[in-house]
Amino acid sequence: DQQVKQNSPSLSVQEGRISILNCDYTNSMFDYFLWYKKYPAEGPTFLISISSIKDKNEDGRFTVFLNKSAKHLSLHIVPSQPGDSAVYFCAATPSGNTPLVFGKGTRLSVIA
Amino acid sequence: DAGITQSPRHKVTETGTPVTLRCHQTENHRYMYWYRQDPGHGLRLIHYSYGVKDTDKGEVSDGYSVSRSKTEDFLLTLESATSSQTSVYFCAIRPPPERGHNEQFFGPGTRLTVL
Repeated sequence: DQQVKQNSPSLSVQEGRISILNCDYTNSMFDYFLWYKKYPAEGPTFLISISSIKDKNEDGRFTVFLNKSAKHLSLHIVPSQPGDSAVYFCAATPSGNTPLVFGKGTRLSVIA
Repeated sequence: DAGITQSPRHKVTETGTPVTLRCHQTENHRYMYWYRQDPGHGLRLIHYSYGVKDTDKGEVSDGYSVSRSKTEDFLLTLESATSSQTSVYFCAIRPPPERGHNEQFFGPGTRLTVL
């Protein structure tokens, strides 16, 4: 049973436009959410996170939105750049000592 | 960048042979993790460790064992490799959760092929 779901395996966006990656979760105990970015032949790199006490966190071109009532979060990338082309993983945890639970990932392609 | 390395980076082995992958960190963090990444499955947790000699199973632990005799090293062993264990394996470390950190930092990965 998938606790973290990324329902779009892939997304294609034109350079300069907004990329929106979505993630849904089922475990109401999750209270910390993260996004990771992964290039081929490299390990995932941490991108941005959000605590359940917030509904938005922004870092440069990246913004994560959290809707706790819908158990949904999204990552917005504005403006999208070709270097953003990668696989993006959503992850969640109840915090404390519990390991992260990852979604299956969404492959983003930014077309010049 | 977090000081985390994995060895070997690539390995080809035959079914039935034992294989050990090594993860080494220079950050002195208690928490270390082993994941595998497969198409259509994302990142799945195999085993993790919360201190020397303290380990626990993850979602896909069958066929794998781990050992942690030193803070800096976390070993993943496939006692008898099978073709279904062909995958890319990632190690991750995590700063102390009590400091409010929930991020994990990943190594570069080991690509394992079992023929």
